[in-house]
Amino acid sequence: DTAVSQTPKYLVTQMGNDKSIKCEQNLGHDTMYWYKQDSKKFLKIMFSYNNKELIINETVPNRFSPKSPDKAHLNLHINSLELGDSAVYFCASSQERRWAGSGYTFGSGTRLTVV
Amino acid sequence: KNEVEQSPQNLTAQEGEFITINCSYSVGISALHWLQQHPGGGIVSLFMLSSGKKKHGRLIATINIQEKHSSLHITASHPRDSAVYICAVVSNFGNEKLTFGTGTRLTIIP
Repeated sequence: DTAVSQTPKYLVTQMGNDKSIKCEQNLGHDTMYWYKQDSKKFLKIMFSYNNKELIINETVPNRFSPKSPDKAHLNLHINSLELGDSAVYFCASSQERRWAGSGYTFGSGTRLTVV
Repeated sequence: KNEVEQSPQNLTAQEGEFITINCSYSVGISALHWLQQHPGGGIVSLFMLSSGKKKHGRLIATINIQEKHSSLHITASHPRDSAVYICAVVSNFGNEKLTFGTGTRLTIIP
C-alpha cells in the first residue's frame, strides 16, 4: 500500500487551463505539505496543513489554492496555468506539526508541464 | 545566499570509497533532515537529526548545532547510492519555515 499517493503522475496542459493534483496519505499523519521542485531541482515549501488547518503559505500566487477536506487529503488546485508553473510537485506528510517531531513521507511527485 | 548550503554540488567516486557530503546553515534550527532523491524522482527521508549522530546501515549522519553544520557519510559506497542528497532544516523562528539546500549529486562508478 502506498503511504502517500498523488495523482496524476504526469500532467501536460495548455496555458490558461485550470488543473488539480490530488494527494492522499494512509499513515494517519496530522500534517500534510505541498512542495515545488523547479527545473534546477531546488525544492521549496508551498503549503502546509495540520488537521485541515492552513499553517504555512509561502508566498505562493493566489492562482494556487490548496484544499484539505480531511486530514488524510490535501489537494492542490491551480488556476490560469502559466509556463512558469511547470515543475514537479511533491506532496508529503508527517506526524508532528513541526518536522522535528518525527520523520515524514513524500509522494512520488507530479510532473506538470504547461505548454 | 541560500540559508542552507551544501557541498560539494557534484561528487563522483569509485565504488567502495567513503563519501562525505556537507551541509551548513545560517539560521537557528530545531531539526535537520537528510533526503535522497533517485533519478526516477522519488524522495526518501534518510535521517532527521536535532543533535549528535545517527546511523542506518552504511549511512551515518552527524550534526554540530554550535557550528551549524551537518555531514552525511556513506561507507563502502555502491552504484545504487547514486542519487541527489538534499539537506533540509526546520527553522525554530517565525512560522516554522522549512528550507532546503540545493542538493549534492552523487555518482558512484563501478
